[in-house]
Amino acid sequence: DGGITQSPKYLFRKEGQNVTLSCEQNLNHDAMYWYRQDPGQGLRLIYYSQIVNDFQKGDIAEGYSVSREKKESFPLTVTSAQKNPTAFYLCASSISPGQENIQYFGAGTRLSVL
Amino acid sequence: GQNIDQPTEMTATEGAIVQINCTYQTSGFNGLFWYQQHAGEAPTFLSYNVLDGLEEKGRFSSFLSRSKGYSYLLLKELQMKDSASYLCAVSAYAGNNRKLIWGLGTSLAVNP
Repeated sequence: DGGITQSPKYLFRKEGQNVTLSCEQNLNHDAMYWYRQDPGQGLRLIYYSQIVNDFQKGDIAEGYSVSREKKESFPLTVTSAQKNPTAFYLCASSISPGQENIQYFGAGTRLSVL
Repeated sequence: GQNIDQPTEMTATEGAIVQINCTYQTSGFNGLFWYQQHAGEAPTFLSYNVLDGLEEKGRFSSFLSRSKGYSYLLLKELQMKDSASYLCAVSAYAGNNRKLIWGLGTSLAVNP
């Protein structure tokens, strides 16, 4: 079954700690995306990658970092510099980078601060 | 600027028809998407419109008027499981880059 897998489903971060959210896809998609969703706000783009070994900042990249060493994987690190990390994080992928292409989403990771 | 407007909340009755509107002001329009998102879950793709007119897919239909910057999602024969948030997203230009601009979503409650 092809799809996008995000883990963990729930994650807790302590003060000053970096945490990494996993996103893996077996759809053979070139493009991958990370979004943050807060109550009452639309999806906001954190980072995106159009191809392996390349990624671009989205609208709210500060306090986050990513890597794209493999086509299947696009992990997101929430660093201690991100002062308000509590949110629902969604990873998505599309066949190619064109914004006319459908984005398919993982089940999400809910991050909370202890 | 880029802007998408959707009603915040709607309520409908099981078996009825509901229309969820989306208006947008963007530059370089390249298509409009509708997604469904159940509480705490991932958005799932419903429809994509790039040309004017109606796209029908089972109980769901989506309409686009590019000249009016307007779309709607029509849900027929409503079921309880249709209670969800419906997200409108437009592919448009922001500076030199093309990106998806997301609306805040319309929370639909289907009552028995």
